[in-house]
Amino acid sequence: EVQLVQSGAEVKKPGESLRISCKASGYTFTTYWIGWVRQMPGKGLEWMGSVWPGDSDTKYSPSFQGHVTISDDKSTTTAYLQWSSLQPSDTAIYYCARVSGLSFPGPFFDLWGRGTLVSVSS
Amino acid sequence: SSVLTQSPSVSVAPGETARIPCGGRNIGRKGVHWYQQKPGQAPMLVIYSNTDRPSGIPDRFSGSTSGDTATLTINGVEAGDEGDYFCQVRDVGSGHYDFGSGTKVTVL
Repeated sequence: EVQLVQSGAEVKKPGESLRISCKASGYTFTTYWIGWVRQMPGKGLEWMGSVWPGDSDTKYSPSFQGHVTISDDKSTTTAYLQWSSLQPSDTAIYYCARVSGLSFPGPFFDLWGRGTLVSVSS
Repeated sequence: SSVLTQSPSVSVAPGETARIPCGGRNIGRKGVHWYQQKPGQAPMLVIYSNTDRPSGIPDRFSGSTSGDTATLTINGVEAGDEGDYFCQVRDVGSGHYDFGSGTKVTVL
């Protein structure tokens, strides 16, 4: 079965570090970009960045550049999103999603994980 | 703020047609994709590349573009179509992805 399985919910304190995961299965991991999308409580979707597992190339939204790190591990077909110092404003659901349709008219997210809820509070 | 403009909400009676617009400069030239998100669930692709439906999406769902507006149309709306709908494009210059702010569809 083609799927993305995300790690479980996290409760953290401000200043703590965190890495959440997204394990891909059922397709060739190294031939699709994986993106991360944030959804703050009651809000819309925000693209954070993407990783190309073929060579671990990454792209970031300017809104998230420098605040998070996206990576991957080809040996375990897993993508990661990590923070070195969480803030309460990082409280959100984080989705990983596979990118398809790289050619015109433009790429889209055709496969989504169920999301990881991250709660940050003192 | 998003470069894509969506109305906050649309209400429609069962069996009627819901039209969900998404505005953006030259949006039709970028390729527009649509996602449905039901409460407590992850988003799901319902239309890609302006007009195409993924496998398993009913033909009640259709997409179109004209000028600076893309529209998701749901014919014969059912109670199960309630949820939030987001449009999405990728900016050709930067390679970054943009989502609309979302439209909440309520079935009366």
